[in-house]
Amino acid sequence: DARVTQTPRDKVTEMGQEVTMRCQPILGHNTVFWYRQTMMQGLELLAYFRNRAPLDDSGMPKDRFSAEMPDATLATLKIQPSEPRDSAVYFCASGLVLKGSYNEQFFGPGTRLTVL
Amino acid sequence: RKEVEQDPGPFNVPEGATVAFNCTYSNSASQSFFWYRQDCRKEPKLLMSVYSSGNEDGRFTAQLNRASQYISLLIRDSKLSDSATYLCVVNPITGRRALTFGSGTRLQVQP
Repeated sequence: DARVTQTPRDKVTEMGQEVTMRCQPILGHNTVFWYRQTMMQGLELLAYFRNRAPLDDSGMPKDRFSAEMPDATLATLKIQPSEPRDSAVYFCASGLVLKGSYNEQFFGPGTRLTVL
Repeated sequence: RKEVEQDPGPFNVPEGATVAFNCTYSNSASQSFFWYRQDCRKEPKLLMSVYSSGNEDGRFTAQLNRASQYISLLIRDSKLSDSATYLCVVNPITGRRALTFGSGTRLQVQP
């Protein structure tokens, strides 16, 4: 049963610390998404990659957030330095996108980040 | 105006009731539409795609109205296990070319 995995599941850190979240997409999926979910804003798209190339990161605060995909089995989202307003659940999702059609996105269980 | 708008609810209904959610989208060129379900403290999961002709999956019926730019989800014979947040999802085609999620409608089915 293929699924997206994310680590860590929970992270509590202090303001100013670096946070790194990791995601392993489903094998064979060519698109990886990073989302952030809060009660106030709902689910926001931060960035996404297709075939490991970044396609859109306009949803991400550029000064402190960075997203990379060093290989097909790993996507990372880093926050440096972290701030209390970054507290949220961060979801990674993967999917197979072919010629502009959008199939199901499979979400990982999320990383619940608390910045004190 | 948000790209995808939903009534946040909550909708509180008794077991066995029929409940309907609507969702409006702003981009008339949107091509793909979905309903996702999200349980409390869990990740969103695909409930069903929405096709132009409307489609049904058991107790769930999804409809698309392109002229008015809205999609709907009808749940018949509600079960306690249907309690969740239902997210309307649209592919806007232009712009960011990624699925856009609504904020969700919360459903609470009461015994």
